[in-house]
Amino acid sequence: GQNIDQPTEMTATEGAIVQINCTYQTSGFNGLFWYQQHAGEAPTFLSYNVLDGLEEKGRFSSFLSRSKGYSYLLLKELQMKDSASYLCAVRSRGSNYQLIWGAGTKLIIKP
Amino acid sequence: DTAVSQTPKYLVTQMGNDKSIKCEQNLGHDTMYWYKQDSKKFLKIMFSYNNKELIINETVPNRFSPKSPDKAHLNLHINSLELGDSAVYFCASSTGGGYQETQYFGPGTRLLVL
Repeated sequence: GQNIDQPTEMTATEGAIVQINCTYQTSGFNGLFWYQQHAGEAPTFLSYNVLDGLEEKGRFSSFLSRSKGYSYLLLKELQMKDSASYLCAVRSRGSNYQLIWGAGTKLIIKP
Repeated sequence: DTAVSQTPKYLVTQMGNDKSIKCEQNLGHDTMYWYKQDSKKFLKIMFSYNNKELIINETVPNRFSPKSPDKAHLNLHINSLELGDSAVYFCASSTGGGYQETQYFGPGTRLLVL
């Protein structure tokens, strides 16, 4: 079967760094996405990885290792507004552009 | 200026009723989707519609029927609503032109079946 695992919840301090992990088992791989979802709102796109390595975008970076079926989202200089759920999603082979979603990691930022 | 819009935002109804949720995108995208997000926050794909081709998720009950009058609209009709249908339903769209394309989500419709 196809499966995506993320921690359910994480807590971090304002100004610190946090790493949110995602492991996946899918039939083929055509890219991994990270989305941010604030409570009561729609998911919004953060990053896309299809090749191994680190993609940096401001305070957020995303890493991918295809051989390990592993990705992480790194958030630096945490701000209170970063409190949200972070969803990992994978596009598997022959999926007609559909994504397989993880349950998301709820990140709580404390002052 | 809203990219993907849905109506209504909130929907409270009785079991057994029939209801519809509307979705419109003004991004010129070719592909639209309906997702269900349950209380455990899993986003589950229900349908995707790409250039008049409807792709159905086999786990979705046939009480749910998508209707696309044109490329910019994908509505969701639900017959004989059940308690378990209570969830947030998100519409999304993408260009459908490649694996990297981003999905843009509507604000969601919060459905509560009593």
